[in-house]
Amino acid sequence: EPEVTQTPSHQVTQMGQEVILRCVPISNHLYFYWYRQILGQKVEFLVSFYNNEISEKSEIFDDQFSVERPDGSNFTLKIRSTKLEDSAMYFCASTGTGALEAFFGQGTRLTVV
Amino acid sequence: TQLLEQSPQFLSIQEGENLTVYCNSSSVFSSLQWYRQEPGEGPVLLVTVVTGGEVKKLKRLTFQFGDARKDSSLHITAAQPGDTGLYLCAGEGGGSNYKLTFGKGTLLTVNP
Repeated sequence: EPEVTQTPSHQVTQMGQEVILRCVPISNHLYFYWYRQILGQKVEFLVSFYNNEISEKSEIFDDQFSVERPDGSNFTLKIRSTKLEDSAMYFCASTGTGALEAFFGQGTRLTVV
Repeated sequence: TQLLEQSPQFLSIQEGENLTVYCNSSSVFSSLQWYRQEPGEGPVLLVTVVTGGEVKKLKRLTFQFGDARKDSSLHITAAQPGDTGLYLCAGEGGGSNYKLTFGKGTLLTVNP
């Protein structure tokens, strides 16, 4: 069964360092997303990406964040200068035509120290 | 801003009991999705409801979308310990990018 895959599963980084989280969405899907979940809190929307550009971003997604689809399969989230409060689970998701069902990856647990 | 309120936040029951969890909003959603999330993992899609009043069944799980598409419920019949987990509802607001707004979830524990 097709699935969204994310790497790495865990990432520990020092405050101020850049991190890149990687995702391989389901191959025939068209819409790609990043969400995050701070421990004990709800899943929050960060950004949506369609047709090789950002279609919507939340207030959380400030200038420190960027997304890229560098080739036909990968979708990345970059945090330029990490802060302690960026520590969270980051989930990639994708949806296909009609976009009724979003499938999520297993997540990357980011810990900023 | 669209918000989804889930209740109860925590639910602990005995094996074999029935239960219902609720997902409510003051906003209308184009569709609503129910997910189950295990600790340290991503949400796994259970069902999507689209039409007001729609009822979908998945084995012992029954999902209903309110007539006005502002609320939804998940009913589990004869709960089993394997049903233990965090149940999330997520609404899609009808914009062109299909982003989801999540509730905080209901943490269900089914005791043997």
